[in-house]
Amino acid sequence: AQKVTQAQTEISVVEKEDVTLDCVYETRDTTYYLFWYKQPPSGELVFLIRRNSFDEQNEISGRYSWNFQKSTSSFNFTITASQVVDSAVYFCALRRGAGAGSYQLTFGKGTKLSVIP
Amino acid sequence: KAGVTQTPRYLIKTRGQQVTLSCSPISGHRSVSWYQQTPGQGLQFLFEYFSETQRNKGNFPGRFSGRQFSNSRSEMNVSTLELGDSALYLCASSLADSHQETQYFGPGTRLLVL
Repeated sequence: AQKVTQAQTEISVVEKEDVTLDCVYETRDTTYYLFWYKQPPSGELVFLIRRNSFDEQNEISGRYSWNFQKSTSSFNFTITASQVVDSAVYFCALRRGAGAGSYQLTFGKGTKLSVIP
Repeated sequence: KAGVTQTPRYLIKTRGQQVTLSCSPISGHRSVSWYQQTPGQGLQFLFEYFSETQRNKGNFPGRFSGRQFSNSRSEMNVSTLELGDSALYLCASSLADSHQETQYFGPGTRLLVL
């Protein structure tokens, strides 16, 4: 069975601080995909990044960076120099690479990030 | 390119009624998935359609059903509404028949059952 754990329910930081959102996943598959989505108060899930299980390169996109470590089954997300606009709920998700249930995303419970001005 | 659209955005129903939600995917996308989001259960997968065929179904009762049309638009129906069906229903579309494809989400339909 697939499982995603986001242990941090809520995080508050002061603007310009760095913050890391943790994501730990469980799967027996060798091929799988990991995602991060952002959900602002409006409700729409905004896609941030996709990673496949064979690509452990870390990625940086502006103030955002992701650290994927298969050895610890983690896919953590760091926001550098946080801004008020980063306030949202962030979801980590897992998708199988094949087999039953491979067309669905399994989501973590989400981490609510509040950036205080 | 227009994103995923969902109608209606807000809906209030009473117990026992039925409801139909609509989703129009991004142009060219052929896969449509539906998710239910509640404070208690989080985001849960309902079902997924590709080329008018349901390929995947989540763990929901038979009161929840869906379909996809030849133009890839999708509808989901909930019959005999219960209070616990109050939720944000999110639709997502993806380009092709590949597990690596990213799902892009619409703004959701907020359903309140009284």
